[in-house]
Amino acid sequence: AQKITQTQPGMFVQEKEAVTLDCTYDTSDPSYGLFWYKQPSSGEMIFLIYQGSYDQQNATEGRYSLNFQKARKSANLVISASQLGDSAMYFCAMREGRNSGGGADGLTFGKGTHLIIQP
Amino acid sequence: EADIYQTPRYLVIGTGKKITLECSQTMGHDKMYWYQQDPGMELHLIHYSYGVNSTEKGDLSSESTVSRIRTEHFPLTLESARPSHTSQYLCASSEFNDEKDTQYFGPGTRLTVL
Repeated sequence: AQKITQTQPGMFVQEKEAVTLDCTYDTSDPSYGLFWYKQPSSGEMIFLIYQGSYDQQNATEGRYSLNFQKARKSANLVISASQLGDSAMYFCAMREGRNSGGGADGLTFGKGTHLIIQP
Repeated sequence: EADIYQTPRYLVIGTGKKITLECSQTMGHDKMYWYQQDPGMELHLIHYSYGVNSTEKGDLSSESTVSRIRTEHFPLTLESARPSHTSQYLCASSEFNDEKDTQYFGPGTRLTVL
């Protein structure tokens, strides 16, 4: 089963509109972290926002916010007032099994959403 | 701002060649990772390291090997490149004591094997 599901392969959004990118996850671990990354056509991965499984409030970073619904296992990214420069691939990712000693296991990524902002 | 570097950015080589993809970071991070990403697809973890002299295989089986002789350096080697190795390779690092364990990525190396 997919651990991270992004159901929107592509989205077209008008500039200045808000956009929501969907992400659902699957884990039985009580401790996990959720991340969103942006990948422009140049290929680098840019960290946007993080949500911990025990965080009580939804994460926010500038124009980015994370709509975290733990019971539904969803972690949707909301971009307010979209800009042309927001056009890129967006990946949701999860890290499982964080304990006090730390761990070096990597992230599990979804297949991504290709967001295109239209003028 | 993350300071993690990868060279080369683009590499086109013939089948059978030995190649090394370089990754270095100046943040003093203990943990480093290599991911493989086919065009338009998700990233898959192929190697990671807890620190010097530590290397582990990731979720996706890979014919590549890695080494970690210095904290800041985590090169990936393919002994005999094949067309099936054509992909983008992304290096990342994170701080061991960071509660979020946020991974910061390099710009990637796009490898094409003819």
